[in-house]
Amino acid sequence: DVQLVESGGGWVQPGRSLRLSCAASGITFDDYAMHWVRQAPGKGLEWVSGISWNGASIGYADSVKGRFTISRDNAKNSLSLQMNSLRAEDTALYYCTKAKYSSTWVGAFDIWGQGTMVTVSS
Amino acid sequence: QSALTQPPSASGSPGQSVTISCTGTSSDVGGYNYVSWFQQHPGKAPKLMIYEVSKRPSGVPDRFSGSKSGNTASLTVSGLQAEDEADYYCSSYAGRNDLVFGGGTKLTVL
Repeated sequence: DVQLVESGGGWVQPGRSLRLSCAASGITFDDYAMHWVRQAPGKGLEWVSGISWNGASIGYADSVKGRFTISRDNAKNSLSLQMNSLRAEDTALYYCTKAKYSSTWVGAFDIWGQGTMVTVSS
Repeated sequence: QSALTQPPSASGSPGQSVTISCTGTSSDVGGYNYVSWFQQHPGKAPKLMIYEVSKRPSGVPDRFSGSKSGNTASLTVSGLQAEDEADYYCSSYAGRNDLVFGGGTKLTVL
């Protein structure tokens, strides 16, 4: 079975950092682009960041640009999101999601994890 | 990076058809055939229903169809069933390594 499992969420004070991880299984990880999508409590989906299969193409939402860094380790079948200078508005459930193709920007996210909750509060 | 515009709600009776719109600009929806639609039930992760405007992943019923005209994409659900009641989100490539979602539409089956 194809599975994405996120970890690393939790409660953190504003201005601090957190690193999210996503472990993939059941797929040839380096065949696919990967993305992070978040959902604030009671709100809609917001794309956060995406990375191509080989890490050569990366994009960020304006709301996180300069603060978040996406990376992947194909040897370990893992995706990461380093989140610095966290703000209250970053509070959300963070989903790891797989693109249907190696093409990064088609946006066809066909496999999703269950999400990891990040709460930014003093 | 403005969110795509979706109606907050839509509804229909079982067996009827309902169409949900997703309006963007020539820089996103109108500029690329990279529109996707996702279904999300409460407390669950989203599910891909349509990609590249009108393609359906395997396992998605053919009651779900997608289309695009100019800067507006649409998701049509035909033969509404109770299990179709959920939130629906569109997304589009917006150029320059940027993706954008719509605000979401809550579909109610009356």
